[in-house]
Order: sequence, then C-alpha cells, then structure tokens
Amino acid sequence: EVQLVESGGGLVQPGRSLRLSCTASGFTFGDYAMSWVRQAPGKGPEWVGFIRSKAFDGTAEYAASVKGRFTISRDDSKYIAYLQMNSLKSEDTAIYYCSRVTRGSTNHYYFMDVWGKGTTVTVSS
Amino acid sequence: EIVLTQSPATLSLSPGERATLSCRASQSVDSYLAWYQQKPGQAPRLLIYDASNRATGIPARFSGSGSGTDFTLTISSLEPEDFAIYYCQQRSYRPHLFTFGPGTKVDIK
Repeated sequence: EVQLVESGGGLVQPGRSLRLSCTASGFTFGDYAMSWVRQAPGKGPEWVGFIRSKAFDGTAEYAASVKGRFTISRDDSKYIAYLQMNSLKSEDTAIYYCSRVTRGSTNHYYFMDVWGKGTTVTVSS
Repeated sequence: EIVLTQSPATLSLSPGERATLSCRASQSVDSYLAWYQQKPGQAPRLLIYDASNRATGIPARFSGSGSGTDFTLTISSLEPEDFAIYYCQQRSYRPHLFTFGPGTKVDIK
C-alpha cells in the first residue's frame, strides 16, 4: 500500500525550531518529488515547498512565506523527507501534510496524488 | 503569479442533484489543472488531473473539463459522501510555486 506518514509536530514557542519527517512506503521514494502543504485552522491548503527527485537534481523550492526559514531535504535510503522549520511564527500554526508530486501524460509534474494524514504544529508561547 | 479563483464559495444542494463548480486562472495553465476533495479532519484527496482525467478509484460521477483559464468540476448526481470542500490547483514556474484555489464548499440544502 502506498503510504505517507508525517511525524514531529507539536507545540513550540515562537522563534524556536522544529523538524518534521515524512516516511514513505509502498513505492520507490527516490523516483518522486515530494511536497509539503500546510493548512491553518479554517483555511485552505497552502503550498510550503517541494524537493525534486535526484534525477532532477534534488533541489528544493519554497513559498515566499517560508523562504529562508524552512528547509526541505530527503534521505532516499531511508524513504524519508524532512521539513526543517526555523524561526517559527504564530502564523506557521497549521496541519502540515506531506504529499507525492507526480505527472499525467506529459512531463509536467504538478499535482499531488498521495497525501499523508498530517501532523499538527502549534506555535505559541 | 497565477491566481486561481473558485465560484461559488458555497453550493447548497440536495443528494441526487448535479453540482457544477468553477475554477478560473488569471493566466493560461493549458490543461495542467487538478481538483481535490477535502472532508473535515482529512487530507485533500486527488480527484482530477490534467483538467479532465479521473484519478485512480474516483467514481465516474466526477468529471472535469476546460483548458486555458476556465475549468469546471461536475458531480453528476450528489451522493451523501460528496458533501465536502473542493479545491483546484496548478503549478507555475515564474515564480516557482504551487497554488490552490480558495475552495468551494458543497453542503447539504
């Protein structure tokens, strides 16, 4: 079964750091780009960032709201993607989802076909 | 930056009725548009990709159409489990980001 499981969420004070993990199973993790999407209470999904597969140089892109504070990395040998969150703010409070990025019939990788259940991050003093 | 708008914000319908949801992009996204369904307490679920292709396991009552800037998600006959929020989504390269629309809530009339 194809599955993504997020972990590492919790309550953290403003300005502190937290690292989330996304553990994959049921597919060849290294073949896929992976994305992080968050959802604040009562709001719609907001893309946080994604990391390309090694075949596409393994680099990451970020939303403007987190650029310079968040870093995405991956360990293909362990089937894990990470989201390192530094200098956390109250507006980072959300459920954080990990998702698999894939493509349709062309080489345009843009939609997310597998999602984890999410992990909750609360930034509060 | 490409902005997605969805209408209506809320659609109040009865089971068995047809639902028509709209997503409009501020610039052409060709056919590279996806639709997701989200129920309370759950992650989004992929319904449609490339504007009109159903994802694995999605019932045939869900269909998508459109290209360029105007897209439609149609639910031909609403089942009780279809009452949820629906989001459209695209990816752009300059700037590089993935964007979700604000969503359409389909609720029971």
